[in-house]
Amino acid sequence: EVQLVESGGGLIQPGGSLRLSCAASGFTVSSNYMSWVRQAPGKGLEWVSVIYSGGSTYYADSVKGRFTISRGNSKNTLYLQMNSLRAEDTAVFYCAREQEGSGYFDYWGQGTLVTVSS
Amino acid sequence: EIVMTQSPATLSVSPGERATLSCRASQSVSSNLAWYQQKSGQAPRLLIYGASTRATGIPARFSGSGSGTEFTLTISSLQSEDFAVYYCQQYNNWYTFGQGTKLEIK
Repeated sequence: EVQLVESGGGLIQPGGSLRLSCAASGFTVSSNYMSWVRQAPGKGLEWVSVIYSGGSTYYADSVKGRFTISRGNSKNTLYLQMNSLRAEDTAVFYCAREQEGSGYFDYWGQGTLVTVSS
Repeated sequence: EIVMTQSPATLSVSPGERATLSCRASQSVSSNLAWYQQKSGQAPRLLIYGASTRATGIPARFSGSGSGTEFTLTISSLQSEDFAVYYCQQYNNWYTFGQGTKLEIK
């Protein structure tokens, strides 16, 4: 059974850093495209970043230069390092699988809440 | 960036009736369009991909249609568990989501 479990969210001050993790089971992270998608409170979904199976990474303009997506192959885990956090980054962050570069997300984690506030 | 616009923002329908949700792309996305359902406090769930293909385990009452810039999600006979927020997503050029349609009980 495919499962994605995020962790690492919490309350952080503006300008601070946080690393999110997404532990996967039932499939191999490095063999798939994996994304982070966020949802601000009461708002819609916003794609944040993707890492391809080949290792290429891409980011939304809103986070480029501040966020870094990576994966730990031995731990079958996806990460999102978030630096220089802003109030507008406050959101639930979901990790999601995009099977074989299909473009759509067939499995999602339950999400982890990041709150950026002083 | 391709902008996805969903209408209406809120749709009130009685159980057992049909619901029709719309999604428009600012430029052609071919058939690279997915629909998701999100219930309160839960992660999105994939319903439809390729504009019209139901994902694994999705009931036949959910159907998708359209191509290019105009897309529709139809729920043929609403069940109580179908009342939720629905999002469309294009994946023709990166990934963008619509703002969502809230389907509520009339």
